[in-house]
Amino acid sequence: NAGVMQNPRHLVRRRGQEARLRCSPMKGHSHVYWYRQLPEEGLKFMVYLQKENIIDESGMPKERFSAEFPKEGPSILRIQQVVRGDSAAYFCASSPITGGGYEQYFGPGTRLTVT
Amino acid sequence: AQSVTQLDSQVPVFEEAPVELRCNYSSSVSVYLFWYVQYPNQGLQLLLKYLSGSTLVKGINGFEAEFNKSQTSFHLRKPSVHISDTAEYFCAVTPGGGNKLTFGTGTQLKVEL
Repeated sequence: NAGVMQNPRHLVRRRGQEARLRCSPMKGHSHVYWYRQLPEEGLKFMVYLQKENIIDESGMPKERFSAEFPKEGPSILRIQQVVRGDSAAYFCASSPITGGGYEQYFGPGTRLTVT
Repeated sequence: AQSVTQLDSQVPVFEEAPVELRCNYSSSVSVYLFWYVQYPNQGLQLLLKYLSGSTLVKGINGFEAEFNKSQTSFHLRKPSVHISDTAEYFCAVTPGGGNKLTFGTGTQLKVEL
């Protein structure tokens, strides 16, 4: 059973460009979470999605950031008009069920560098 | 809301020595507690978790942690570390039944010969 897959692993964008980060959850997992890790900091929750639904986006910046998890295909985290402060590692996690302490399985992350 | 404090940003230790990584949390509701390990340029891997029951939890790679409700702590311990344990360790909490993890800032464990 393949783990959580994220691509690309490394992404370089110039200021003002768009960044698209993809996450394929583990097989059988219908819950996806996105976290951001800034340099020298822990991971910060961004958004929690189920298929075709955003359940909790309380950690998402109000502008330029959006996420989706369509019925078919991977979850996408989209950052429009990137700025230097968006440089970070973005991790996706998935779980088969939410709540109850079920483990979230993490992908290897996408390291975004904005130049 | 929950918060997690990992006071030690770095912990150097010699191989085969014991180690304790400290974690304290704050929450107005009951929580589940987790320890994750992150090796360089990799994602996070679950070491262990506390949901309920026995306060001493054993995890993978010889790690264990003890939940102390009165001190709101969940310290991670290993009696004898190995070079391969060098990594970043994150403590995290989620409210019981919740879905998002709140992480501490991490502790870099460096095991030296």
